[in-house]
Amino acid sequence: ETGVTQSPTHLIKTRGQQVTLRCSSQSGHNTVSWYQQALGQGPQFIFQYYREEENGRGNFPPRFSGLQFPNYSSELNVNALELDDSALYLCASSLEFSYEQYFGPGTRLTVT
Amino acid sequence: GQSLEQPSEVTAVEGAIVQINCTYQTSGFYGLSWYQQHDGGAPTFLSYNALDGLEETGRFSSFLSRSDSYGYLLLQELQMKDSASYFCAVRDGQGGKLIFGQGTELSVKP
Repeated sequence: ETGVTQSPTHLIKTRGQQVTLRCSSQSGHNTVSWYQQALGQGPQFIFQYYREEENGRGNFPPRFSGLQFPNYSSELNVNALELDDSALYLCASSLEFSYEQYFGPGTRLTVT
Repeated sequence: GQSLEQPSEVTAVEGAIVQINCTYQTSGFYGLSWYQQHDGGAPTFLSYNALDGLEETGRFSSFLSRSDSYGYLLLQELQMKDSASYFCAVRDGQGGKLIFGQGTELSVKP
């Protein structure tokens, strides 16, 4: 059974640029959630995808967008990057309606 | 607003017992989870309480009191490898959105 994987591991971008982060969910999981974790803080919910549809969104601006593909993998896109977007971006997969989420190792994004 | 409060740091010695408390104030509540995170790595699921009472999983136990909006994680027989950050998280709705606390950094000393 393959766990949750994310790519890339690290990324450095310049303010104003756009970035795409990728996540492969654990085998059999049809729900993917994305979280942003600033240094020393708890993860903050960005949005969740279930069967390719957005199923809940946190308090993030529209420049944060996502996709889920038929194989349940997912992308997080961030446009017009700001310095405050520097954080660890975590992807978590789960079975629908399950309380247990399986997190990937994250992508460390640095915006300069 | 929605908030979860937990201590920022806890220190204990190997072999001891430590309790990490969590109080929450959220608009929705389907259950309280606990996650462990080592050095900014992947958070890993420890336990979940949907109903009042104690859940035990090996050295870890978790307690919930919905009337008090309070829960705790109990770690017994502490080991050095338990040094990590521990997060409580409220499941906000059936879909599984998690609202996390700020985390408690546990340091286990020899």
